[in-house]
Amino acid sequence: NAGVTQTPKFQVLKTGQSMTLQCAQDMNHEYMSWYRQDPGMGLRLIHYSVGAGITDQGEVPNGYNVSRSTTEDFPLRLLSAAPSQTSVYFCASSKGQALSGNTIYFGEGSWLTVV
Amino acid sequence: GDSVTQMEGPVTLSEEAFLTINCTYTATGYPSLFWYVQYPGEGLQLLLKATKADDKGSNKGFEATYRKETTSFHLEKGSVQVSDSAVYFCALSAGSYQLTFGKGTKLSVIP
Repeated sequence: NAGVTQTPKFQVLKTGQSMTLQCAQDMNHEYMSWYRQDPGMGLRLIHYSVGAGITDQGEVPNGYNVSRSTTEDFPLRLLSAAPSQTSVYFCASSKGQALSGNTIYFGEGSWLTVV
Repeated sequence: GDSVTQMEGPVTLSEEAFLTINCTYTATGYPSLFWYVQYPGEGLQLLLKATKADDKGSNKGFEATYRKETTSFHLEKGSVQVSDSAVYFCALSAGSYQLTFGKGTKLSVIP
């Protein structure tokens, strides 16, 4: 099984450029999310979705947009990249709430550098 | 708000040594607790979990017990191997779909 697939794996952007990080899952999971990982800070939630057509903000949403038109896909858009968005981005999915013990599955990450 | 505090690394151990990585949490209600592991260049993988007080999660020789009285979920392994070298994250979920992570502890095991 492919699980959670992210593309691209590596990307260098110039300040002000826009781009989309792609995320797809083949497990028919309702819940999907995007985290960013910065040195010494663990992972922080950017945006999440509890189903097609439903999205909401996480802890650090500024500078990012998301949409969820299908169950499988959850792209993350950077509209005008800034050096502060240099980070490793992880997409995740789960069948249900982690509180209930559901496993959250992570993609392999996308390394983004903004110069 | 919810938070997770785990011991800072890096931690360097010799092969076959005993491992403990401390994790304490602050949360409302009754969270579920998790340990995730990240091997170099890879995403996070669930290592073990516990959903209620006194539960013990275990996997691949690792164990952690959900201690509500001390709000802790310490990770232990009796004999580490070089292949256990990775970053370990303690995390909780307290009523939403998201996970709240600690900052991670890097473990290096030397032969």
